[in-house]
Amino acid sequence: SQQGEEDPQALSIQEGENATMNCSYKTSINNLQWYRQNSGRGLVHLILIRSNEREKHSGRLRVTLDTSKKSSSLLITASRAADTASYFCATDPYGQNFVFGPGTRLSVLP
Amino acid sequence: DTAVSQTPKYLVTQMGNDKSIKCEQNLGHDTMYWYKQDSKKFLKIMFSYNNKELIINETVPNRFSPKSPDKAHLNLHINSLELGDSAVYFCASSQGLAGGPNTGELFFGEGSRLTVL
Repeated sequence: SQQGEEDPQALSIQEGENATMNCSYKTSINNLQWYRQNSGRGLVHLILIRSNEREKHSGRLRVTLDTSKKSSSLLITASRAADTASYFCATDPYGQNFVFGPGTRLSVLP
Repeated sequence: DTAVSQTPKYLVTQMGNDKSIKCEQNLGHDTMYWYKQDSKKFLKIMFSYNNKELIINETVPNRFSPKSPDKAHLNLHINSLELGDSAVYFCASSQGLAGGPNTGELFFGEGSRLTVL
């Protein structure tokens, strides 16, 4: 199984609603990052959170990290149709490389 | 200006052929990567280079050979292409190696979709 796994695999919500995606991982990490990928495009960095941090905000995005549970969550508030994309978490197990989970496919319906 | 650019964007070829994908970054980063994304969107690291030196070489067939002529370029050459090589290949760069205290974000190219017939 993956080092990082996002949950749910797919999420469909209405515009204006909040979207929450979770990421669980297995080994200790130094950093955890969230990325967005629009269809047919490359990945775009959203937020990096370090292992000694518990929460970070960026605009409508809020990321939490619970190292005791080896999990992170990404909250997108007041979603828009343009938020439709796949969202990936990436961790650096053993301080080597960034390993990506399989992603959550978010659909925001107008 | 595109930060990480890779060419070609699309590549369709026959089994057994040899092909190359080129990648260039103008961010001044010292670390570059190749990732492979399969049809289920799963993204897997293939290679990692730091200051032109190979750092990580995951379990990748030796038909895949990366080459880094300088810190701004990391090319991927694939010999004897197989059907299973069909995927989207992403080049990425970062400042510093993953896991370090000052690790930065990864910047990705737009991907090169390889189709092997």
